[in-house]
Amino acid sequence: GDSVTQMEGPVTLSEEAFLTINCTYTATGYPSLFWYVQYPGEGLQLLLKATKADDKGSNKGFEATYRKETTSFHLEKGSVQVSDSAVYFCALSDLSGNQFYFGTGTSLTVIP
Amino acid sequence: KAGVTQTPRYLIKTRGQQVTLSCSPISGHRSVSWYQQTPGQGLQFLFEYFSETQRNKGNFPGRFSGRQFSNSRSEMNVSTLELGDSALYLCASSLSGDGYTFGSGTRLTVV
Repeated sequence: GDSVTQMEGPVTLSEEAFLTINCTYTATGYPSLFWYVQYPGEGLQLLLKATKADDKGSNKGFEATYRKETTSFHLEKGSVQVSDSAVYFCALSDLSGNQFYFGTGTSLTVIP
Repeated sequence: KAGVTQTPRYLIKTRGQQVTLSCSPISGHRSVSWYQQTPGQGLQFLFEYFSETQRNKGNFPGRFSGRQFSNSRSEMNVSTLELGDSALYLCASSLSGDGYTFGSGTRLTVV
């Protein structure tokens, strides 16, 4: 069945460091791919998405490229800030678009 | 426009009791999904409703049930609460499967 695997955390970085959080997926066909972010005490917020191969989603300095050949959707940011500290979830929606599959989440802490 | 509204935000119940959680989706969104989030298990899919019909169901016991009303508002019910049901329950709505919008969740504590 469809599934998402993302890199284990927690991840701790210094402010202005480069961030990569790895995400790979298993799915039938070409699903849509998403990154969500969850701040403490809150629900999940959509960070970015890509709906077809080679699409690049971007938002708030974060980027991820839909790579069909490697079935990956890695999240990157060139210079993290303390305010980026949160839990990040990679997700895919199945072909029907009716059900989403989430990774286990990666906790990021950015220290000044 | 208003986001997804979940009520209540916090709830404390005793083992054996039952609880009902409410979710109001974004106006126009007809799909509502529910997830359970715990530190050990991550996000687990409970069920999805569309136009008052349960369209998908996760792997949870029958104590977990839900419904959707004609205005797309949804409720989920947990009967005979167990300590392990303590979790953050998240509701999400979507327009066409093109990404969820989540509510802030209901934090349920079972004592």
